[in-house]
Amino acid sequence: DGGITQSPKYLFRKEGQNVTLSCEQNLNHDAMYWYRQDPGQGLRLIYYSQIVNDFQKGDIAEGYSVSREKKESFPLTVTSAQKNPTAFYLCASSPRAAGENIQYFGAGTRLSVL
Amino acid sequence: LAKTTQPISMDSYEGQEVNITCSHNNIATNDYITWYQQFPSQGPRFIIQGYKTKVTNEVASLFIPADRKSSTLSLPRVSLSDTAVYYCLVAPDQTGANNLFFGTGTRLTVIP
Repeated sequence: DGGITQSPKYLFRKEGQNVTLSCEQNLNHDAMYWYRQDPGQGLRLIYYSQIVNDFQKGDIAEGYSVSREKKESFPLTVTSAQKNPTAFYLCASSPRAAGENIQYFGAGTRLSVL
Repeated sequence: LAKTTQPISMDSYEGQEVNITCSHNNIATNDYITWYQQFPSQGPRFIIQGYKTKVTNEVASLFIPADRKSSTLSLPRVSLSDTAVYYCLVAPDQTGANNLFFGTGTRLTVIP
């Protein structure tokens, strides 16, 4: 069963805590992305990675960190520096970084602050 | 930066054809136009992609005029299950993805 798996589906963060959202893909895609979506809004790019061990900041990278140690995995850490983390987080992958690529999305993780 | 502009919302009755237009005045020569559909609390799903003229698949058609400054997604005979948000995405050149811009999309409501 190919696709992108995000976990957990729901996540709660306490004040001052770092939390990590998981994203795994078995599509053999080179590029992976993290987006944030606030209620009634579009998707905003947090980070993207074109290849293993390389990643670039998107529009709203402050307060977030990522790693890309394996092609299949692109975890996102929401750090305590992110003061307004409550949102719906979406991970995507594509065969190439840009151009005529098609992005395939996971089911999302909804993060809330306790 | 190839930002896009779409209507915020549209209503349609079941069985009608729906056309959603996206403006992208700053589209670059090597940009492609891609449309996605998103249901509440789910990730967006690819619908259709094109570069110029007309593209058709089993769920939609995409019309792109010669100047490529706009595109129109056409959904034939919509049903209640087509109620969703539709995003138009114009991909930048292949050197970087840091300015991918989904915008707020068009919220389509299909009425019985």
